[in-house]
Amino acid sequence: ILNVEQSPQSLHVQEGDSTNFTCSFPSSNFYALHWYRWETAKSPEALFVMTLNGDEKKKGRISATLNTKEGYSYLYIKGSQPEDSATYLCAFPYGGATNKLIFGTGTLLAVQP
Amino acid sequence: EPEVTQTPSHQVTQMGQEVILRCVPISNHLYFYWYRQILGQKVEFLVSFYNNEISEKSEIFDDQFSVERPDGSNFTLKIRSTKLEDSAMYFCASSEWLVGSYEQYFGPGTRLTVT
Repeated sequence: ILNVEQSPQSLHVQEGDSTNFTCSFPSSNFYALHWYRWETAKSPEALFVMTLNGDEKKKGRISATLNTKEGYSYLYIKGSQPEDSATYLCAFPYGGATNKLIFGTGTLLAVQP
Repeated sequence: EPEVTQTPSHQVTQMGQEVILRCVPISNHLYFYWYRQILGQKVEFLVSFYNNEISEKSEIFDDQFSVERPDGSNFTLKIRSTKLEDSAMYFCASSEWLVGSYEQYFGPGTRLTVT
């Protein structure tokens, strides 16, 4: 059974702290890894699609790295702000017919002002 | 910016009743998906749809579930006879192309509560 894991499950930080979390995925048959940011009552928002080993992508204060050989991706947030509070999901597209996404458990980030 | 929309945002229904969840995918997208998240669990795939037919379905997607694209814009998920365990957040997603590196764009979800 394909398993995508994320850690930690939740994280409470102070405004201004930098933080990071991990997504682990199967290293065989890798095609891509997606990161989403999901705020309650809103649509999950695509942050990054990572495809190449060693990839590093950045969007503002958020960046992500990818290691396909060992099967993990890190998401970093520099100088967390209260508006960064959300659940961060990673997802692994699987299946040649449809590329359905297999999701991790998510990391719930709460940033205290 | 184009977005996926879903209605209603919250649906409460009694066990055994039929529900239809509606989605309007992004207009030039060709691939459509339903996912759900039961509270406290992972988001899980239900079904994918392309060219007016189901491409793939999970083992959750049994005979009680059906999907349809009744016109050029709407994409619906029907649950014929709801059970308590169908209570979940249901997400619709669409994608422009069937390649894993293409984003799937998600709607805000419909929270289904079965009592």
